[in-house]
Amino acid sequence: NVLTQSPGTLSLSPGERATLSCRASQSVTNNYLAWHQQRPGQAPRLLIYGASSRATGIPDRFSGSGSGTDFTLTISRLEPGDSAVYYCQHYGTSLAFGGGTKVEIK
Amino acid sequence: EVQLLESGGGLAQPGGSLRLSCAASGFTFSTYAMYWVRQAPGKGLEWVSALSVSGGNIYYADSVKGRFTISRDNSKNTLYLEMNGLRAEDTAVYYCAKSGGAYAHMWYFDHWGQGTLVTVSS
Repeated sequence: NVLTQSPGTLSLSPGERATLSCRASQSVTNNYLAWHQQRPGQAPRLLIYGASSRATGIPDRFSGSGSGTDFTLTISRLEPGDSAVYYCQHYGTSLAFGGGTKVEIK
Repeated sequence: EVQLLESGGGLAQPGGSLRLSCAASGFTFSTYAMYWVRQAPGKGLEWVSALSVSGGNIYYADSVKGRFTISRDNSKNTLYLEMNGLRAEDTAVYYCAKSGGAYAHMWYFDHWGQGTLVTVSS
């Protein structure tokens, strides 16, 4: 299952909303889709699993939605610390990552 | 607190070998599948290998199949990656990651180590 993320880069101001897309080449079984955040120079961190469940300690500014082949990560009220690359990940029958979306805070 | 600490990275020659280790703590290691994920310089994440709780289910990305071997020692809470036949394209930061579900393999990763850099160059 190939995951395609868009856009490649998103440049927004603090307080704005970011909408990131992850499209799968085949339907994702049981919405087994996760999102990870990777800040510059750091290891990735799990944000969302099961398409919409927030991981422990993740603020509610981060939300996931979608089903089938189209999934979205929304970051409301952007903060400077949200500057990062965001990756979607398919799991269940196989493992794969999308190419990532870079979010820049102006 | 879950902690994953990778070690063993460094410089290797093309065709050479390295063995990575990942020391785990803060959870019951023997009840979670474990993974290796890598990231080439300036590139995205690439899943490398997965290993079930018992070691009976092992998975590799096509790019490393036949060259890399994943294993675990549940008595030492440690995950390993034996890398042979190294190529320049194996140059990357290698991350150890923990499964988000007990006994579930091919799952999402809920904790990541800080990574260890492997450089393959003559």
